[in-house]
Amino acid sequence: DIQMTQSPSSLSASVGDRVTISCRASQGISNYLAWFQQKPGKAPKSLIYAASSLQSGVPSKFSGSGSGTDFTLTISSLQPEDFATYYCQQYNSYPFTFGGGTKVEIK
Amino acid sequence: EVQLVQSGAEVKKPGESLRISCEGSGYSFNSYWIGWVRQMPGKGLEWMGIIYPGDSDTRYSPSFQGQVTISADKSINTAYLQWNSLKASDTAMYYCARRPTGNNAMDVWGQGTTVTVSS
Repeated sequence: DIQMTQSPSSLSASVGDRVTISCRASQGISNYLAWFQQKPGKAPKSLIYAASSLQSGVPSKFSGSGSGTDFTLTISSLQPEDFATYYCQQYNSYPFTFGGGTKVEIK
Repeated sequence: EVQLVQSGAEVKKPGESLRISCEGSGYSFNSYWIGWVRQMPGKGLEWMGIIYPGDSDTRYSPSFQGQVTISADKSINTAYLQWNSLKASDTAMYYCARRPTGNNAMDVWGQGTTVTVSS
């Protein structure tokens, strides 16, 4: 199985901050990488697919980059509604696997 | 509107069987994969498996192979996740999600089904 490692596991940030979350795959996955946002008590929401393509309706403050084994999710200006847990997932090969999550909290 | 609507919360005893469902609407159900994801209390997301309703092609995570069965009835646009003998450790929230073919990730999620297994 491909292991997905996210860092950091949690971070504290202020409204307006630029936030970057990293995701590393244990082997190359090309750009078959997705990012999801989950708020407490809610289903995950899809943000990004193919490493850098925004899902329909997702605001452009979210961006993704990377290829191969190293990927990044960036939130350009953190807003109150962005405080949540973020997960990466590889879908290059079965079983598709998620990272452990990054919890973004208010400083 | 594209939607996945999951069946309601379940409370079961160890050893009992269970099938939960995920009904798709607003799109061609046969032409998209449906995946299942587990989230244990306070934990992260775990990918369980996926099915393509058009031809019933099904793939499982090794962690869940033999523990659950994924199926679909394309005549009623519904996918299922089934257990033959529940354990307390199956207590979790279960999500279904749609995945388009090609270089596309899961894009639409169900609201989740809570399964509680307790004696």
